[in-house]
Amino acid sequence: DADVTQTPRNRITKTGKRIMLECSQTKGHDRMYWYRQDPGLGLRLIYYSFDVKDINKGEISDGYSVSRQAQAKFSLSLESAIPNQTALYFCATSDQLAPGELFFGEGSRLTVL
Amino acid sequence: DQQVKQNSPSLSVQEGRISILNCDYTNSMFDYFLWYKKYPAEGPTFLISISSIKDKNEDGRFTVFLNKSAKHLSLHIVPSQPGDSAVYFCAASAGSGNTGKLIFGQGTTLQVKP
Repeated sequence: DADVTQTPRNRITKTGKRIMLECSQTKGHDRMYWYRQDPGLGLRLIYYSFDVKDINKGEISDGYSVSRQAQAKFSLSLESAIPNQTALYFCATSDQLAPGELFFGEGSRLTVL
Repeated sequence: DQQVKQNSPSLSVQEGRISILNCDYTNSMFDYFLWYKKYPAEGPTFLISISSIKDKNEDGRFTVFLNKSAKHLSLHIVPSQPGDSAVYFCAASAGSGNTGKLIFGQGTTLQVKP
C-alpha cells in the first residue's frame, strides 16, 4: 500500500459543484501539503499544515479550503468548482527533520466542465 | 512571475552518456534547492538536494551543482540509464533553510535512449 493515498484518483465534475479530495498517510509525518500541477507551470502550493491545529495558505489558495482532520488526514475542498481548477492535484507529506524532502501521493486528476 | 525556471522542456541523451538538466532562479532569498523525478501516473519523488552554503552535492550517479552568483543550478546524471527517463523538476525554498514550502520549475522531460 502507498504511504500517501489520495482519493479519488480521477474525477470529472461540473462548474459550481463542491468537490473534496482526500489524502491519508501512514508515514507518521506531521507536515502535509496540497500542490497543484498544470502543464508548463510545474507544481504550485495551495495549502499546507505543520500539525493538526495549523493551517496555512500557500501560493494559490483562492477558491480552495482545507481540513486537517487528524495527523494522518488532510483534505482539499473546492467549494464551487470552475474550469480553470482543472488540474492534477498532489498531496505530500514531510518530516520536520527533512521538511523539504516531500513524499507525494499518486495524484488526483480533476476535470471541471 | 516564474521564480524558478527550467528553460529546456525536453532533453534526449544516449544511454551511458551524461545528462545535464538546468535550472535558473530569480529570488536571492532561496537557500535550499531540490530535484524531484516524476514518472507518468506517479507522484514526484525526491532525488537530491543542496543547501546554499554548498556548491556541489553528489549521490551516486546524481550530482547537483549550485552557482549562486549566476542563480543557476544543474543536475548531472552519469551514466544515464533508460530508467532515468522521466520528468525532472527543480525546486527551491526560502527562509529557515529547508522547508516544505517549495517553488517548482516547469519541469524537463528527459529521454534516455538505449
